[in-house]
Amino acid sequence: GAVVSQHPSWVICKSGTSVKIECRSLDFQATTMFWYRQFPKQSLMLMATSNEGSKATYEQGVEKDKFLINHASLTLSTLTVTSAHPEDSSFYICSARLGGGQETQYFGPGTRLLVL
Amino acid sequence: QKEVEQNSGPLSVPEGAIASLNCTYSDRGSQSFFWYRQYSGKSPELIMSIYSNGDKEDGRFTAQLNKASQYVSLLIRDSQPSDSATYLCAVEGPGGYNKLIFGAGTRLAVHP
Repeated sequence: GAVVSQHPSWVICKSGTSVKIECRSLDFQATTMFWYRQFPKQSLMLMATSNEGSKATYEQGVEKDKFLINHASLTLSTLTVTSAHPEDSSFYICSARLGGGQETQYFGPGTRLLVL
Repeated sequence: QKEVEQNSGPLSVPEGAIASLNCTYSDRGSQSFFWYRQYSGKSPELIMSIYSNGDKEDGRFTAQLNKASQYVSLLIRDSQPSDSATYLCAVEGPGGYNKLIFGAGTRLAVHP
């Protein structure tokens, strides 16, 4: 149980284009999902908390107009990197919280983004 | 002071030995603690969660929590080369709100 998927697993795009990444909880409903970014040899950096049916909460320094988050259902959250630039190239990982009073987060496999 | 601190390592142990990974945290009100393992190029996977003081064992893994000292550790018995990875300590964020605060991770290398 507690499986989280992400799609796509990797994407290469041209500078200036937008990229959408999907995060799905496959066997449970997740009222809260999280989006992280990880640069090589660095730790996870929380970008935003995504709550179903409400606006995402962004961490300090993360541009909400650049990283659009939508959590339209209890099993799906999307992250759209708008007008991507090479410095946005990173490993984007989502996680979903099991809920029911448990804080446990289960991670998706991640999406590797390369912006040329 | 960082909210969650871990020694970056690498921690090198021989195969079959006990690996001891340590983590300290700053928010005395934290109630939930987690250990994740991350292989190079992969996303983190949950190893253990612990909520009460004391030890919690799961197979070769034992998590230890001491809230008075704001300290959580992970012991790996009979370490295997396949245990070589970065181990991330995560602590429930200030005030709850479901956020986890991650340490920078400790890189473990188990050599044959």
